[in-house]
Amino acid sequence: AQKITQTQPGMFVQEKEAVTLDCTYDTSDQSYGLFWYKQPSSGEMIFLIYQGSYDEQNATEGRYSLNFQKARKSANLVISASQLGDSAMYFCAMRVSRSNSGGGADGLTFGKGTHLIIQP
Amino acid sequence: KAGVTQTPRYLIKTRGQQVTLSCSPISGHRSVSWYQQTPGQGLQFLFEYFSETQRNKGNFPGRFSGRQFSNSRSEMNVSTLELGDSALYLCASRHGTSYGPDTQYFGPGTRLTVL
Repeated sequence: AQKITQTQPGMFVQEKEAVTLDCTYDTSDQSYGLFWYKQPSSGEMIFLIYQGSYDEQNATEGRYSLNFQKARKSANLVISASQLGDSAMYFCAMRVSRSNSGGGADGLTFGKGTHLIIQP
Repeated sequence: KAGVTQTPRYLIKTRGQQVTLSCSPISGHRSVSWYQQTPGQGLQFLFEYFSETQRNKGNFPGRFSGRQFSNSRSEMNVSTLELGDSALYLCASRHGTSYGPDTQYFGPGTRLTVL
């Protein structure tokens, strides 16, 4: 079974500072994808960034980057130059291949999330 | 391109009743997944449908069921509602069913309250 651990229930960060949100994962599968989602108070999940288990480069999407350390099974999200609008819940998620059971993939396994608050 | 839509957005039911939630995926997406989000359990995978077939199921009782239509729209049904079924139900769509960078895009959710 897969597991995602996010050890920071809440974080306060000053506007314009960089912030790192921690995520460690546990799986015995070699083929998997890691995702970060943002959930504002409105409730909708917004996709931020993806990293594949075989990707050699760390993923980047604008102000978001993913610090992928495969040997340590960590996939930390880095937000550069934080903005007030970044205040939200952030979820790390994983999806593994079902290569041994007819193909396809399992559903996303989510961590408990980190509540990020950006202060002016 | 329009995003994932879910109806209704809010629903209040009483214990023992049943409920049906609807999800329309992004145009061209053939996979629809459902998730339950509660303060205690967090986000949990319910099931995934692709081409009208259930491809995947999470660890939920048989009271939770779903289906997908030929136009990829999906419905989720919960029978004999319990208080613990109160949650935000999120639908997500994507093109296929691989583990790779086929991103799931989520709808705004249906907030179900069971009294």
